[in-house]
Amino acid sequence: EVQLLESGGGLVQPGGSLRLSCAASGFIFSSYAMNWVRQAPGKGLEWVSGISDSGGSTYYAVSVKGRFTVSRDNANKTLYLQMNSLTAEDTAVYYCAKGPAAAVGNNWFDPWGQGTLVTVSS
Amino acid sequence: SYVLTQPPSVSLAPGKTATITCAGDNIGSKSVHWYQQRPGQAPLLVIYYDTERPSGIPERFSGSNSGSTATLAISRVEAGDEADYYCQVWDSRSDHVVFGGGTKLTVL
Repeated sequence: EVQLLESGGGLVQPGGSLRLSCAASGFIFSSYAMNWVRQAPGKGLEWVSGISDSGGSTYYAVSVKGRFTVSRDNANKTLYLQMNSLTAEDTAVYYCAKGPAAAVGNNWFDPWGQGTLVTVSS
Repeated sequence: SYVLTQPPSVSLAPGKTATITCAGDNIGSKSVHWYQQRPGQAPLLVIYYDTERPSGIPERFSGSNSGSTATLAISRVEAGDEADYYCQVWDSRSDHVVFGGGTKLTVL
């Protein structure tokens, strides 16, 4: 069974940093693109970032480009999201999600992890 | 940037057919994917590549896509279908994933 388990969320002050992790199991992690999607409280889904199977191609939403960095450790089947210069607008549940192929483009997301909550507040 | 527009809400009685639209510029030329999100849960893929159903998704769920509108249809709606539904595409011009704003389905 494919499983994704996020961790690393929590309370952080504005301007601070946080690193999220997503541990994958049940599939050949190194063969698939992965993505991060977030959802602010009471709001809709917002794609944050995507990374190809090898990590050679990365993509970011305009709202996080230059502040967030996506990476992956294929040997340890883990996806990461390094978040810097956080603001209140980054407060959200962050989900990792598996793509159906090696490349990020034209992907759908299946499955999703259960999410980890990031709260940016003083 | 590419924009997907969904109605905020759809309400109907049990047993009826719900149709949730997703409008975008020439969306018929793109592949559209749909997700169901029940309260407190992670999203679940219900339709991919416009019309395909993942294993485990009931046949009551179907999709179509043409022109400027993609549609998710749920026939014989039941209380368990109450959820938020989101459409999603890949915008190749910007290399970005785009989600619609979501539609809340209420079964009366």
